[in-house]
Amino acid sequence: GESVGLHLPTLSVQEGDNSIINCAYSNSASDYFIWYKQESGKGPQFIIDIRSNMDKRQGQRVTVLLNKTVKHLSLQIAATQPGDSAVYFCAENTGNQFYFGTGTSLTVIP
Amino acid sequence: KAGVTQTPRYLIKTRGQQVTLSCSPISGHRSVSWYQQTPGQGLQFLFEYFSETQRNKGNFPGRFSGRQFSNSRSEMNVSTLELGDSALYLCASSFWGENTEAFFGQGTRLTVV
Repeated sequence: GESVGLHLPTLSVQEGDNSIINCAYSNSASDYFIWYKQESGKGPQFIIDIRSNMDKRQGQRVTVLLNKTVKHLSLQIAATQPGDSAVYFCAENTGNQFYFGTGTSLTVIP
Repeated sequence: KAGVTQTPRYLIKTRGQQVTLSCSPISGHRSVSWYQQTPGQGLQFLFEYFSETQRNKGNFPGRFSGRQFSNSRSEMNVSTLELGDSALYLCASSFWGENTEAFFGQGTRLTVV
């Protein structure tokens, strides 16, 4: 079955630095991916998505990179702020179902 | 535009009881998916509904069921509750369900005692 894994369960960065969160996926047929941010006590919040016909997409302070050759997804957060502290999930869409990784906990050190 | 609304936010139930959770999707969205989130297990897919039809189902026992109404609102039901059913139950709505943005509600925190 599909599996979506995260390379690092926790990540600590200094405020102002850039953060990179990685994700590996296993289904080469997946053609749509989303990154979510989940803060304590809240539901996952949509951050940015990317389709398989792209290898890069930029949003406000965030960039998602997709490498289909090695089935790898990454989320880059520029100038990380304390409000970015949360758990980040990647999700791959296959059919009508999303498969989620277990998440990476990002802690921003002031 | 209102977001995804889940009710109730918190529930405490006793083993053996049954529970019904509700999800109102974003206006215009026809797909509603349900997920169970527990520490260490991440988000596990329960089922997805589109236009009142269950299109996809995860690997959960038959005690977990759902339905969707003509206005796209969805309910999920868990019968004969077990302690292990304690979790955050999340629903996500999207326009098509496939290859489109999916937005989550705040979830319902279910505690089974």
